[in-house]
Amino acid sequence: ETGVTQSPTHLIKTRGQQVTLRCSSQSGHNTVSWYQQALGQGPQFIFQYYREEENGRGNFPPRFSGLQFPNYSSELNVNALELDDSALYLCASSSPLTSGSSYNEQFFGPGTRLTVL
Amino acid sequence: AQKVTQAQTEISVVEKEDVTLDCVYETRDTTYYLFWYKQPPSGELVFLIRRNSFDEQNEISGRYSWNFQKSTSSFNFTITASQVVDSAVYFCALSEARSNFGNEKLTFGTGTRLTIIP
Repeated sequence: ETGVTQSPTHLIKTRGQQVTLRCSSQSGHNTVSWYQQALGQGPQFIFQYYREEENGRGNFPPRFSGLQFPNYSSELNVNALELDDSALYLCASSSPLTSGSSYNEQFFGPGTRLTVL
Repeated sequence: AQKVTQAQTEISVVEKEDVTLDCVYETRDTTYYLFWYKQPPSGELVFLIRRNSFDEQNEISGRYSWNFQKSTSSFNFTITASQVVDSAVYFCALSEARSNFGNEKLTFGTGTRLTIIP
């Protein structure tokens, strides 16, 4: 296990509703990224938060928004849910870059499976 | 734009056979990272390997080996003497490398579902 936790595990919503997904990053990690994985597809980058600020965004509409808190946990909010939003939502956390390192691995949580009816 | 192609959607092999998963990538960056992840039925992505674009040495880790060929933009993954526990979906991924940050977004392929038949 990576130490990254997500809640809830599963969620069922209806079209037009709003949803909030939560992610607790691994201890010491200050960066959280969110990915959407539709059935049979690879994960797609939604956005990344670094020290409570958005630090890059993928090709997702504004109804996908996020927050990062001072303890570096994060939320993903989706408004006006559509059927195509049904997917596994993954968050990944990583630690700050340190002297001598050029890359820090992203550790993924188990995901939240969202079903929109 | 970055792109990762995994042409093999599903592969089935009998236990103890060797299997190679193909990955072809596209990027305009001169410096980038390549990855392989394993996704078991539980859904969590398990990191397997990261390779820097400047390091074309092949790597072996137990039954796993990786062949990185920059000339053909390929980063293939071979499992030797496959086991039932290797059954999973495997993703190849690509990331640009910005020297001041270090953990940029990952661009994933569509994955290869590997089934090992006992």
